[in-house]
Amino acid sequence: QVQLVQSGAEVKKPGASVKVSCKASGYTFTNYYLHWVRQAPGQGLEWMGWINPDSGDTNYAQKFRGWVTMTRDTSINTAYMELSRLRSDDTALYYCARDRGGLLLLYYFDYWGQGSLVTVSS
Amino acid sequence: QSVLTQSPSPSGTPGQRVTISCSGSSSNIGRNYVHWYQQLPRMAPKLVICRNDERPSGVPDRFSGSKSGTSASLAISGLRSEDEADYYCAAWDDSLSGLMFGGGTKLTVL
Repeated sequence: QVQLVQSGAEVKKPGASVKVSCKASGYTFTNYYLHWVRQAPGQGLEWMGWINPDSGDTNYAQKFRGWVTMTRDTSINTAYMELSRLRSDDTALYYCARDRGGLLLLYYFDYWGQGSLVTVSS
Repeated sequence: QSVLTQSPSPSGTPGQRVTISCSGSSSNIGRNYVHWYQQLPRMAPKLVICRNDERPSGVPDRFSGSKSGTSASLAISGLRSEDEADYYCAAWDDSLSGLMFGGGTKLTVL
Protein backbone atom coordinates (compact mmCIF):
# COMPACT_ATOMS: atom_id res chain seq x y z
CA GLN A 1 0.00 0.00 0.00
CA VAL A 2 1.07 3.57 -0.61
CA GLN A 3 2.88 5.11 2.33
CA LEU A 4 4.68 8.37 2.94
CA VAL A 5 6.74 8.20 6.11
CA GLN A 6 8.29 11.40 7.38
CA SER A 7 11.17 12.12 9.71
CA GLY A 8 10.69 12.88 13.36
CA ALA A 9 10.19 16.06 15.33
CA GLU A 10 12.88 18.70 15.35
CA VAL A 11 13.65 21.62 17.63
CA LYS A 12 15.67 24.43 16.08
CA LYS A 13 16.89 27.84 17.12
CA PRO A 14 15.89 30.98 15.20
CA GLY A 15 18.13 31.48 12.19
CA ALA A 16 18.93 27.80 11.82
CA SER A 17 17.84 25.46 9.02
CA VAL A 18 15.81 22.27 9.12
CA LYS A 19 15.59 19.41 6.64
CA VAL A 20 12.54 17.15 6.72
CA SER A 21 12.43 13.86 4.83
CA CYS A 22 9.55 11.96 3.26
CA LYS A 23 10.14 8.33 2.30
CA ALA A 24 7.74 6.86 -0.24
CA SER A 25 6.78 3.22 -0.62
CA GLY A 26 4.10 1.15 -2.32
CA TYR A 27 4.31 2.94 -5.67
CA THR A 28 6.84 4.13 -8.23
CA PHE A 29 8.40 7.16 -6.58
CA THR A 30 9.35 8.91 -9.81
CA ASN A 31 5.84 8.70 -11.25
CA TYR A 32 4.12 11.17 -8.94
CA TYR A 33 4.72 14.80 -8.00
CA LEU A 34 5.18 15.42 -4.28
CA HIS A 35 4.00 18.56 -2.52
CA TRP A 36 4.78 20.07 0.85
CA VAL A 37 2.09 21.63 3.01
CA ARG A 38 2.49 23.09 6.47
CA GLN A 39 0.13 23.73 9.35
CA ALA A 40 0.96 26.02 12.24
CA PRO A 41 -0.48 25.00 15.64
CA GLY A 42 -4.24 25.49 15.64
CA GLN A 43 -4.10 27.04 12.17
CA GLY A 44 -5.02 26.08 8.61
CA LEU A 45 -3.11 24.48 5.77
CA GLU A 46 -0.51 26.33 3.70
CA TRP A 47 0.90 25.02 0.43
CA MET A 48 4.66 25.40 0.08
CA GLY A 49 5.45 23.93 -3.32
CA TRP A 50 6.18 20.75 -5.26
CA ILE A 51 8.97 18.60 -6.59
CA ASN A 52 8.95 16.35 -9.61
CA PRO A 53 10.80 13.29 -8.26
CA ASP A 54 11.67 12.17 -11.79
CA SER A 55 13.35 15.33 -13.07
CA GLY A 56 14.05 17.10 -9.78
CA ASP A 57 12.21 20.19 -11.04
CA THR A 58 10.63 22.29 -8.34
CA ASN A 59 8.10 25.07 -7.99
CA TYR A 60 7.76 27.01 -4.78
CA ALA A 61 4.92 29.18 -3.52
CA GLN A 62 5.84 32.84 -3.82
CA LYS A 63 6.07 33.24 -0.06
CA PHE A 64 8.73 30.57 0.26
CA ARG A 65 10.97 31.39 -2.69
CA GLY A 66 14.50 32.05 -1.56
CA TRP A 67 14.28 30.13 1.68
CA VAL A 68 12.85 26.70 0.91
CA THR A 69 14.64 24.00 -1.05
CA MET A 70 13.02 20.75 -2.15
CA THR A 71 15.20 17.87 -3.29
CA ARG A 72 14.96 14.14 -3.74
CA ASP A 73 17.09 11.00 -3.73
CA THR A 74 15.63 8.50 -6.15
CA SER A 75 17.94 5.73 -4.93
CA ILE A 76 16.08 5.63 -1.63
CA ASN A 77 12.68 6.97 -2.76
CA THR A 78 12.92 9.94 -0.47
CA ALA A 79 12.04 13.61 -0.86
CA TYR A 80 13.38 16.40 1.30
CA MET A 81 12.22 19.87 2.25
CA GLU A 82 14.77 22.24 3.72
CA LEU A 83 13.73 25.54 5.26
CA SER A 84 16.40 28.06 6.15
CA ARG A 85 16.59 31.16 8.34
CA LEU A 86 13.94 29.76 10.64
CA ARG A 87 11.74 32.09 12.66
CA SER A 88 9.39 31.31 15.52
CA ASP A 89 6.39 31.55 13.20
CA ASP A 90 7.81 28.66 11.17
CA THR A 91 6.81 26.40 14.04
CA ALA A 92 4.43 24.01 12.33
CA LEU A 93 3.61 20.51 11.28
CA TYR A 94 5.12 19.91 7.84
CA TYR A 95 3.40 17.39 5.56
CA CYS A 96 4.44 15.81 2.30
CA ALA A 97 1.57 14.80 0.03
CA ARG A 98 1.33 12.94 -3.25
CA ASP A 99 -0.34 14.56 -6.24
CA ARG A 100 -3.11 12.33 -7.53
CA GLY A 101 -2.29 13.16 -11.13
CA GLY A 102 0.96 11.27 -11.29
CA LEU A 103 3.23 13.31 -13.54
CA LEU A 104 0.26 15.43 -14.57
CA LEU A 105 -0.04 18.13 -11.94
CA LEU A 106 -3.57 18.23 -10.59
CA TYR A 107 -2.91 19.96 -7.28
CA TYR A 108 -4.96 17.63 -5.17
CA PHE A 109 -3.49 15.05 -2.90
CA ASP A 110 -4.45 11.44 -2.37
CA TYR A 111 -1.83 10.36 0.16
CA TRP A 112 -0.22 12.33 2.95
CA GLY A 113 2.66 11.73 5.27
CA GLN A 114 2.03 11.71 9.00
CA GLY A 115 3.60 15.14 9.42
CA SER A 116 6.86 16.30 10.94
CA LEU A 117 6.70 18.81 13.78
CA VAL A 118 9.29 21.56 13.58
CA THR A 119 9.55 23.78 16.63
CA VAL A 120 11.56 26.99 16.41
CA SER A 121 12.49 28.33 19.79
CA SER A 122 15.40 30.07 21.41
CA GLN B 1 -6.59 36.29 5.78
CA SER B 2 -7.25 33.37 3.45
CA VAL B 3 -7.95 33.97 -0.22
CA LEU B 4 -10.70 31.36 0.10
CA THR B 5 -13.27 32.20 2.77
CA GLN B 6 -15.06 29.36 4.48
CA SER B 7 -18.35 29.55 6.34
CA PRO B 8 -18.45 29.58 10.14
CA SER B 9 -18.34 26.32 12.00
CA PRO B 10 -21.65 24.49 11.75
CA SER B 11 -23.05 21.90 14.08
CA GLY B 12 -25.58 19.17 13.58
CA THR B 13 -27.08 16.13 15.18
CA PRO B 14 -26.64 12.62 13.86
CA GLY B 15 -28.67 12.03 10.73
CA GLN B 16 -28.88 15.68 9.77
CA ARG B 17 -27.48 17.33 6.66
CA VAL B 18 -24.94 20.14 6.92
CA THR B 19 -23.33 22.33 4.32
CA ILE B 20 -19.97 24.09 4.38
CA SER B 21 -19.31 26.84 1.88
CA CYS B 22 -16.14 28.23 0.37
CA SER B 23 -16.10 31.62 -1.31
CA GLY B 24 -13.38 32.81 -3.65
CA SER B 25 -12.93 34.90 -6.76
CA SER B 26 -12.60 34.69 -10.52
CA SER B 27 -8.89 33.93 -10.25
CA ASN B 28 -9.38 30.80 -8.17
CA ILE B 29 -12.76 29.08 -7.77
CA GLY B 30 -14.17 30.93 -10.77
CA ARG B 31 -11.65 29.31 -13.12
CA ASN B 32 -10.33 26.21 -11.38
CA TYR B 33 -11.42 23.05 -9.66
CA VAL B 34 -12.23 23.00 -5.95
CA HIS B 35 -11.13 20.16 -3.71
CA TRP B 36 -12.16 19.37 -0.14
CA TYR B 37 -10.20 17.76 2.68
CA GLN B 38 -11.30 16.34 6.00
CA GLN B 39 -8.88 16.54 8.90
CA LEU B 40 -9.70 14.46 11.94
CA PRO B 41 -8.08 15.51 15.22
CA ARG B 42 -4.35 14.88 15.24
CA MET B 43 -4.45 13.30 11.78
CA ALA B 44 -3.24 14.24 8.33
CA PRO B 45 -5.85 15.66 5.95
CA LYS B 46 -7.85 13.27 3.79
CA LEU B 47 -9.26 14.05 0.35
CA VAL B 48 -13.06 13.73 0.36
CA ILE B 49 -14.06 15.64 -2.78
CA CYS B 50 -11.94 16.45 -5.84
CA ARG B 51 -12.66 18.39 -9.01
CA ASN B 52 -15.68 20.14 -7.50
CA ASP B 53 -17.94 17.12 -7.13
CA GLU B 54 -16.03 13.86 -7.53
CA ARG B 55 -15.75 11.43 -4.66
CA PRO B 56 -12.50 9.48 -4.40
CA SER B 57 -12.81 5.76 -3.96
CA GLY B 58 -13.77 4.83 -0.41
CA VAL B 59 -15.42 8.14 0.48
CA PRO B 60 -19.07 7.55 1.47
CA ASP B 61 -21.73 8.94 -0.83
CA ARG B 62 -22.97 10.99 2.11
CA PHE B 63 -20.32 13.48 1.02
CA SER B 64 -21.07 15.63 -2.02
CA GLY B 65 -19.60 18.74 -3.56
CA SER B 66 -20.82 21.47 -5.86
CA LYS B 67 -19.59 24.68 -7.39
CA SER B 68 -21.33 27.72 -8.79
CA GLY B 69 -19.50 30.79 -10.03
CA THR B 70 -16.93 31.77 -7.43
CA SER B 71 -18.35 29.66 -4.60
CA ALA B 72 -18.27 25.99 -3.74
CA SER B 73 -20.00 23.84 -1.15
CA LEU B 74 -19.44 20.58 0.64
CA ALA B 75 -22.55 18.81 1.88
CA ILE B 76 -22.61 15.96 4.35
CA SER B 77 -25.87 14.10 4.76
CA GLY B 78 -26.79 11.47 7.32
CA LEU B 79 -24.36 13.07 9.75
CA ARG B 80 -22.34 10.69 11.90
CA SER B 81 -20.19 11.29 14.95
CA GLU B 82 -17.06 10.35 13.01
CA ASP B 83 -17.69 13.28 10.63
CA GLU B 84 -16.65 15.68 13.40
CA ALA B 85 -13.52 17.22 11.94
CA ASP B 86 -12.01 20.28 10.30
CA TYR B 87 -12.81 20.70 6.63
CA TYR B 88 -10.73 22.66 4.14
CA CYS B 89 -11.43 23.75 0.60
CA ALA B 90 -8.58 24.25 -1.85
CA ALA B 91 -8.21 25.72 -5.32
CA TRP B 92 -5.44 26.93 -7.60
CA ASP B 93 -5.21 30.70 -7.89
CA ASP B 94 -4.11 31.98 -11.31
CA SER B 95 -3.20 35.47 -10.07
CA LEU B 96 -1.09 34.26 -7.16
CA SER B 97 0.22 31.21 -9.06
CA GLY B 98 -0.28 29.01 -6.06
CA LEU B 99 -2.57 26.51 -4.43
CA MET B 100 -4.81 28.21 -1.89
CA PHE B 101 -6.56 26.65 1.07
CA GLY B 102 -9.56 28.02 2.89
CA GLY B 103 -9.15 28.86 6.55
CA GLY B 104 -10.96 25.71 7.59
CA THR B 105 -14.35 24.96 9.09
CA LYS B 106 -14.80 22.91 12.23
CA LEU B 107 -17.82 20.66 12.08
CA THR B 108 -19.30 19.65 15.42
CA VAL B 109 -21.63 16.68 15.73
CA LEU B 110 -23.80 17.15 18.81
